Amino acid sequence: SAVISQKPSRDICQRGTSLTIQCQVDSQVTMMFWYRQQPGQSLTLIATANQGSEATYESGFVIDKFPISRPNLTFSTLTVSNMSPEDSSIYLCSVEILAGGTDTQYFGPGTRLTVL
Amino acid sequence: EDQVTQSPEALRLQEGESSSLNCSYTVSGLRGLFWYRQDPGKGPEFLFTLYSAGEEKEKERLKATLTKKESFLHITAPKPEDSATYLCAVGGGSNYKLTFGKGTLLTVNP
Repeated sequence: SAVISQKPSRDICQRGTSLTIQCQVDSQVTMMFWYRQQPGQSLTLIATANQGSEATYESGFVIDKFPISRPNLTFSTLTVSNMSPEDSSIYLCSVEILAGGTDTQYFGPGTRLTVL
Repeated sequence: EDQVTQSPEALRLQEGESSSLNCSYTVSGLRGLFWYRQDPGKGPEFLFTLYSAGEEKEKERLKATLTKKESFLHITAPKPEDSATYLCAVGGGSNYKLTFGKGTLLTVNP
């Protein structure tokens, strides 16, 4: 398994501002992901954070709105830019662990974002 | 496009009253079906991965089963501490993207 921490755990922001969320893992991992969980909705993948190259974004998500950094194999950041109330959500990072022929995604505790 | 539908949306049980949660899915090339538990204000906690039809896995009072179209999470003699939202997700193809259902909110009353 993996121990994943996120900072901040929650924040309240004004519209038009940006927030950067950090994700730290206790071991080196190849695959890191960022998800969004809107109220009453399922988790939706925003992008795959690739170490040493640009993130791979899912349909409906763009780099200008959600820039991602992955400077090494244990750390990543997600920035939510030019925020609006519709960005109010829980943002989660996850990592893929391959062990013993099985693969599992483990999730961080999430960052609860409220945009006023 | 991969799809996951979970039912019921909410389930209220009495302590000791066994039941099952359903996860119906469509996926191109199932890589795995995953069950998670999510408590309020926390990230999803991994429970099981199932890879092929007929596979079963157990953990304490939980048992997950898989067919070609759906998965069941059976809860035997639940306790109040089993109250949580249970999420189902599928991974398909060669990438590691997971597609999640909306979850089932389980409440177990003492």
